[in-house]
Amino acid sequence: GAGVSQSPSNKVTEKGKDVELRCDPISGHTALYWYRQSLGQGLEFLIYFQGNSAPDKSGLPSDRFSAERTGGSVSTLTIQRTQQEDSAVYLCASNPSGGVGTQYFGPGTRLTVL
Amino acid sequence: GENVEQHPSTLSVQEGDSAVIKCTYSDSASNYFPWYKQELGKRPQLIIDIRSNVGEKKDQRIAVTLNKTAKHFSLHITETQPEDSAVYFCAASIRGQFYFGTGTSLTVIP
Repeated sequence: GAGVSQSPSNKVTEKGKDVELRCDPISGHTALYWYRQSLGQGLEFLIYFQGNSAPDKSGLPSDRFSAERTGGSVSTLTIQRTQQEDSAVYLCASNPSGGVGTQYFGPGTRLTVL
Repeated sequence: GENVEQHPSTLSVQEGDSAVIKCTYSDSASNYFPWYKQELGKRPQLIIDIRSNVGEKKDQRIAVTLNKTAKHFSLHITETQPEDSAVYFCAASIRGQFYFGTGTSLTVIP
């Protein structure tokens, strides 16, 4: 079956512009996660959606970052007024129920802010 | 919140030798511990996982052990091969949230 997909795969933008990154989770997965991975670094948690519950936004680094999940499926991560330090790979993952069980990662979006 | 520490950050072994990566966690309520392998430029892929009611799990050359009392878990790779070279991440899960270690870059020298 189809895995987690993300778009675009690469995004180059100018400092100060807004960007939107999209994640399509595995169908039926109720839990969705966004992470950021800078070059050679670990996975930095950004936000977690579980079903209809209020999302856990505790990892968002600033108010320039926001995310939404429509209809319990597709999610969009928006970064406003991008800065060079936002350059990283943004990974999305989904999990069947948010309980015990693995996450399935998408291929990521590589964001470059010039 | 949960804090996961991972050691070592880099590890080089000769082909055929064993590799061990260790992680500790802080919250005793964590109940699921996956390990991911990430090759350069690719997404993390699950290689093995263990639940809190199990002490050890093995899958061919890969094994994971969990010590709940000491709150640590380890990845063991035996008979390493060059294709095992990658970055390995441990994680601890609690209430659906995942907390990752900082990664171990494993190099297997032919």
